[in-house]
Amino acid sequence: DGGITQSPKYLFRKEGQNVTLSCEQNLNHDAMYWYRQDPGQGLRLIYYSQIVNDFQKGDIAEGYSVSREKKESFPLTVTSAQKNPTAFYLCASKFSGARPGNTIYFGEGSWLTVV
Amino acid sequence: GNSVTQMEGPVTLSEEAFLTINCTYTATGYPSLFWYVQYPGEGLQLLLKATKADDKGSNKGFEATYRKETTSFHLEKGSVQVSDSAVYFCALSEVQGAQKLVFGQGTRLTINP
Repeated sequence: DGGITQSPKYLFRKEGQNVTLSCEQNLNHDAMYWYRQDPGQGLRLIYYSQIVNDFQKGDIAEGYSVSREKKESFPLTVTSAQKNPTAFYLCASKFSGARPGNTIYFGEGSWLTVV
Repeated sequence: GNSVTQMEGPVTLSEEAFLTINCTYTATGYPSLFWYVQYPGEGLQLLLKATKADDKGSNKGFEATYRKETTSFHLEKGSVQVSDSAVYFCALSEVQGAQKLVFGQGTRLTINP
């Protein structure tokens, strides 16, 4: 089935450790995004990528890093520099191009808890 | 910059009640507008969208009309069900560049039997 797969669903991290969240899509989408969601709040953009080997910072990129070596994959690394990493992380993707209503699709999310 | 403001929740209704969740936006140009729904512990699912003024998006009994004059995109449903309990997000897609989604803060809806 076509879709966006995020893994792991739940992840626990000790303070000072880096962790990487996986995001894979088989929708042939060009653009991919990472959002962070805190309890009771909306979504904030961390990083996005419109094409392979290129990505841009979003609104809250500090303490995070990404790579886009393949069209299908956009992993997010939460580094030890991220002061408050406990959150729900959502990956999303869509076709590029300025078509009105171009829909962004979301994965099921990954819960990260720092212990 | 672009922004979305949603009606604050939580909202609690009885089954078969009429639902309205207000959403207004500030944007440059003419963005596309979306409503997403999030069930507990899950990602976001597209509920409906509208791409130009006076367009009406609809799905599963939900409707929203793109009102340029009031910069609004209010979500409505005539008769809610317990299964509609979820968090609802209004969002706009920027017109230029990467067309990033800008979200409202979400409205938690609980429907009681």
